[in-house]
Amino acid sequence: ETGVTQTPRHLVMGMTNKKSLKCEQHLGHNAMYWYKQSAKKPLELMFVYSLEERVENNSVPSRFSPECPNSSHLFLHLHTLQPEDSALYLCASSQERGKGLYEQYFGPGTRLTVT
Amino acid sequence: QKEVEQDPGPLSVPEGAIVSLNCTYSNSAFQYFMWYRQYSRKGPELLMYTYSSGNKEDGRFTAQVDKSSKYISLFIRDSQPSDSATYLCAIRGTYKYIFGTGTRLKVLA
Repeated sequence: ETGVTQTPRHLVMGMTNKKSLKCEQHLGHNAMYWYKQSAKKPLELMFVYSLEERVENNSVPSRFSPECPNSSHLFLHLHTLQPEDSALYLCASSQERGKGLYEQYFGPGTRLTVT
Repeated sequence: QKEVEQDPGPLSVPEGAIVSLNCTYSNSAFQYFMWYRQYSRKGPELLMYTYSSGNKEDGRFTAQVDKSSKYISLFIRDSQPSDSATYLCAIRGTYKYIFGTGTRLKVLA
């Protein structure tokens, strides 16, 4: 596997279900990100982990719970979601070293539908 | 006011046309300006970036930043059907990338 992988690619869940999204990066990066992409809206940054510590949480509802057990893996645990949470969830990674631009590499995303 | 504004399109052009994609932003503190391309069912990929004001050219693509008017542009020359995708502009802060909505481009053969 190369780059950033995400599983599952598609997920349909009911509002009372609990599920998890998984992201794995094979690039040796030290920062990982969760984004939400909805139609006609900008990519919304949800969570950022740097060196496995959460450094940013953009006022995301508690029904989304991230976990970063090591620098290569990132999870997004989902429970009691709402239909408006249906979106494409993208994971990204980058090598952060202070100032400068370090490219974010995105995974293909998980298309989530909440029924 | 949104931090980054981008016309969502869609924009349809004939093959060979020059395409101009634009964004405006509100926070003058940001220094890095990026363009991502996203094909259907794929994640975004970085196409080009510029630091501060000025132009940057890469093949058929030119990125331009005007910090005085807080305006960023991407020009595509000799557009091809394979350029059909959604183009997202983004600005970068520490651990923070702020994206536009994306402009959907279709290049007709």
